[in-house]
Amino acid sequence: EVQLVESGGGLVQPKGSLKLSCAASGFDFNSYGMSWVRQAPGKGLDLVADISSKSYNYATYYADSVKDRFTISRDDSQSMVYLQMDNLKTEDTALYYCTVVLGYWGQGVMVTVSS
Amino acid sequence: DVVLTQTPPTLSATIGQSVSISCRSSQSLLHSNGNTYLNWLLQRPGQPPQLLIYLVSRLESGVPNRFSGSGSGTDFTLKISGVEAEDLGVYYCVQSTHAPPTFGGGTKLELK
Repeated sequence: EVQLVESGGGLVQPKGSLKLSCAASGFDFNSYGMSWVRQAPGKGLDLVADISSKSYNYATYYADSVKDRFTISRDDSQSMVYLQMDNLKTEDTALYYCTVVLGYWGQGVMVTVSS
Repeated sequence: DVVLTQTPPTLSATIGQSVSISCRSSQSLLHSNGNTYLNWLLQRPGQPPQLLIYLVSRLESGVPNRFSGSGSGTDFTLKISGVEAEDLGVYYCVQSTHAPPTFGGGTKLELK
């Protein structure tokens, strides 16, 4: 059974930083790209960042809204994926999901950016 | 980026009624490898999205067979043959044929 467990969310002031983690299990982690998707309160789903597998040279993608502020990374030895979020803005407030192939999702972790 | 347009945005149904949701893409979702990477997700209130259908029409394990997907190219449909109370929530189509992956705006299914 695929399991994705996110952690690291919380309340942070504008311009602050947070690092989200996602622990994956139940599938061949090394073979799949991983994504972070966020959902602002009452809104739809938005891809934030994704990272491909080693086979595709760990290529990354970032939404324009987070480019140069967020960094996605992965540790295949630990089946972990991370999202380093710097210079956070109030509009980054959302529930952040870790997902594989956009079909299997974690429970999500809330990030609130507020002074 | 590929734009996915879902209609209708809201759908009211009675229990037992059959309903359909449309997802139209701004470009063909047929990949050069012959696959079409179009999924359907259901997000129940307070829950993460769950996979219902992948590769247009393949039913995810454990999903009731009242759900079915169809379509090709740029036009796709999710059909629920006999809505049950547990089906209420927001449905999303999502494509990963073209980078970056993109989501439809969602269709909220509610009880009439």
